[in-house]
Amino acid sequence: GAGVSQSPSNKVTEKGKDVELRCDPISGHTALYWYRQSLGQGLEFLIYFQGNSAPDKSGLPSDRFSAERTGGSVSTLTIQRTQQEDSAVYLCASSSQGKNEKLFFGSGTQLSVL
Amino acid sequence: SQQGEEDPQALSIQEGENATMNCSYKTSINNLQWYRQNSGRGLVHLILIRSNEREKHSGRLRVTLDTSKKSSSLLITASRAADTASYFCATLSPGFKTIFGAGTRLFVKA
Repeated sequence: GAGVSQSPSNKVTEKGKDVELRCDPISGHTALYWYRQSLGQGLEFLIYFQGNSAPDKSGLPSDRFSAERTGGSVSTLTIQRTQQEDSAVYLCASSSQGKNEKLFFGSGTQLSVL
Repeated sequence: SQQGEEDPQALSIQEGENATMNCSYKTSINNLQWYRQNSGRGLVHLILIRSNEREKHSGRLRVTLDTSKKSSSLLITASRAADTASYFCATLSPGFKTIFGAGTRLFVKA
């Protein structure tokens, strides 16, 4: 596609439910990042993929968070048993180069856990 | 923990004035980038400076990098109301993880 696409753009869920967030990177981009941003804050690194493998999962906040990437393309971020503190904007970015330079961002998913 | 930290946290200036934002980081880097974010959603890449460069220009943007002090600055000259946004520095470290700072919120008054 023309840019990084994320869906849904907004998600409201009840505490305890599982949610799945999707990221469709720019075609051909090998690197893919997930970040989380709380209101008025900076970006918190969650996980990074190079192809289908995730060499760095150090940012995942707890074992309720997981992510996968298939076919070197689409990635899904899954949050199990959501908590209110999970409410944030989840941003995905992709990059074309091996050195993961310029990142192209999607518009994010606003997650609200009630 | 965040790699980069920007200051000031917030900056309010008049249209036409220059805006300077600073970024400090903690570990060695391959490059440093600046991004802009409008309305709390997707970020847009502004400029990249490599670790062996000291200064870079792009239009009204000027970026400096001092690796001995582990710091960078972003200067926006002749600011416009449309420059109102949050600005983030991001560092690429060995291992290819890009880490963002907390950002500077810039408000340009018309």
